[in-house]
Amino acid sequence: EADIYQTPRYLVIGTGKKITLECSQTMGHDKMYWYQQDPGMELHLIHYSYGVNSTEKGDLSSESTVSRIRTEHFPLTLESARPSHTSQYLCASSDRSGNTIYFGEGSWLTVV
Amino acid sequence: AQSVTQPDIHITVSEGASLELRCNYSYGATPYLFWYVQSPGQGLQLLLKYFSGDTLVQGIKGFEAEFKRSQSSFNLRKPSVHWSDAAEYFCAVGRNTGGGNKLTFGTGTQLKVEL
Repeated sequence: EADIYQTPRYLVIGTGKKITLECSQTMGHDKMYWYQQDPGMELHLIHYSYGVNSTEKGDLSSESTVSRIRTEHFPLTLESARPSHTSQYLCASSDRSGNTIYFGEGSWLTVV
Repeated sequence: AQSVTQPDIHITVSEGASLELRCNYSYGATPYLFWYVQSPGQGLQLLLKYFSGDTLVQGIKGFEAEFKRSQSSFNLRKPSVHWSDAAEYFCAVGRNTGGGNKLTFGTGTQLKVEL
């Protein structure tokens, strides 16, 4: 199992604030992902990265942005949070083959 | 485009009873198939996966799943359910995109276990 750490686990923030969700993995995985999951719904891929300085948009359009400056770190940023951004954000990683994806425990974001 | 269907939104079983969670997928090539479990307030834990070979795969916590290409199914089974199995279960199909694997998830099945 991969060790993937997400902080904060829970965040309540006001509209218009800038937020960054942190994600780190200690397995040296090249590939990292961000999924978004609304309560009771399926997960949707919003961002992925194949390595340092590589980031791509996922299947679901998102106003968030990501960066990959270090292999182990893949933060997600919302410049101006809105209530529609309220959701759970799950970070994941996989090794070079990309065949098995391991998830962190998620960050629950509530924008009020 | 690939898709995953989990026809049962909620399932309730008695502790000790057998369990089968259904999953049907749509994908043009040989699929990579996964089952994940999510407990309340937690992330996803990988239960098992199928890439190729033996169509009956064993996972953690006593779960197994069988890949049936003719039925485009990958149903999850457990012979005897424990109360701690109550959680949400997601089936996913992975598509390999030039070295990476991106998952498409089903809508999940919420499992309730009656004592």
